[in-house]
Order: sequence, then structure tokens, then C-alpha cells
Amino acid sequence: AQSVSQHNHHVILSEAASLELGCNYSYGGTVNLFWYVQYPGQHLQLLLKYFSGDPLVKGIKGFEAEFIKSKFSFNLRKPSVQWSDTAEYFCAVIPLMEYGNKLVFGAGTILRVKS
Amino acid sequence: DTAVSQTPKYLVTQMGNDKSIKCEQNLGHDTMYWYKQDSKKFLKIMFSYNNKELIINETVPNRFSPKSPDKAHLNLHINSLELGDSAVYFCASSQAGEDSGELFFGEGSRLTVL
Repeated sequence: AQSVSQHNHHVILSEAASLELGCNYSYGGTVNLFWYVQYPGQHLQLLLKYFSGDPLVKGIKGFEAEFIKSKFSFNLRKPSVQWSDTAEYFCAVIPLMEYGNKLVFGAGTILRVKS
Repeated sequence: DTAVSQTPKYLVTQMGNDKSIKCEQNLGHDTMYWYKQDSKKFLKIMFSYNNKELIINETVPNRFSPKSPDKAHLNLHINSLELGDSAVYFCASSQAGEDSGELFFGEGSRLTVL
């Protein structure tokens, strides 16, 4: 089945460590790509998105993501994490050729940053 | 001044009961959604409405019936609740159609069926 895969369910890092969260999707056509974040006790919110153009996308709070079409990947990165980045991160895809253009989510990665 | 609000946040009920979850958005968006987050944390779309019209209806049992009295509200009614309905249900809204991808989510409603 077509899907969105996030490689790690739990990631634990120390402050100042670099972060890379993997995301792969299996849709063959044109896609829109997103990362959402859910901080503890808060609702899901958009971190960054890619529609077209420069495959390196910058989002809020120093996050960036790179779209590699040949690898069907959209990995999230941050050079130096902070304790406040502790949250759950969801990769999401809209496969544009599918009916309804629905947003399909990965299972999420829980990031815990140790201070 | 919450943008997307859901009530109730927690709901514990017995199998066989009927329950509703309400959602309201004050963002002036045209499109609203219901997503279900199961025990494995997958967020799956159930329904979407655009200006009160049903746009997406995923493979969801008939026991689930969305109702949109106006474009600011999308309520979810569930009949004859089953154990497998236990999940967190998220309401969301967007402005430019779902292909913009920027959805604004509510805080979720955790439903527990005993």
C-alpha cells in the first residue's frame, strides 16, 4: 500500500546535537510534502512545507528539510537541537494525482532532547 | 480565541452507546476535516467538508456520520460505539483546499470505549 514511512519512532538527543529525522513516501507522482510538529500539550502545527522549487526548504525554529526526488525522501534536519525541540514530529504527503488531494501522515517520531 | 476547538477533550463511554464530538473553527476557513489517530499513532483522514459539502469520505463505517451545519462547524456523531473506535479524533481546517497542506488542528478528543 502507498504510504509515508518515518524510520525512527523514538529519538533521544543531547542539547546541541544535530538532528535528522527520516521520511520516505511511496507515491510515484507529484507530491506536496510537509512536516508537522506537536509539542507536549499542544496541537499539531505546520513546521515547513515543500511544493516546488528549491528542494531545500527552511521552516520555523531553525528546521530545514531536503526533498530528494530520486530517493522519495523528505528528511528533516536541525544543526543543533534545544531542549524546547522535544516534541513529536510527523511527516505528511499530499499525492496530487489522488482523488481529494488528501494529506497522508507518517506514524510520527518522538524526539526527546536531554538538557 | 482558540482557532480550532473540539469538545469534549476526553470521552469515556460504554460499547453500544452513541456519542458526538463537536468542532468549531474561527479562522474563516472553507474546508474542515476529521482525522483519527489510532494506537499506533497513525493519523488517518476520515472526512473532509468544503463549504458544508462532503468532499472526502474514506472507508469509514456507516456508524460514523459527520454533520456540517455551517462552514465553521463540523461535528462527528458515532453510533453503536465499538472497542475499536477508541482513538484520538482530531478536527482540522484549511483555507485554500487541502492541497495547500496547511491544516490547523484542534487539540484532539480522546475517546475511550469500554
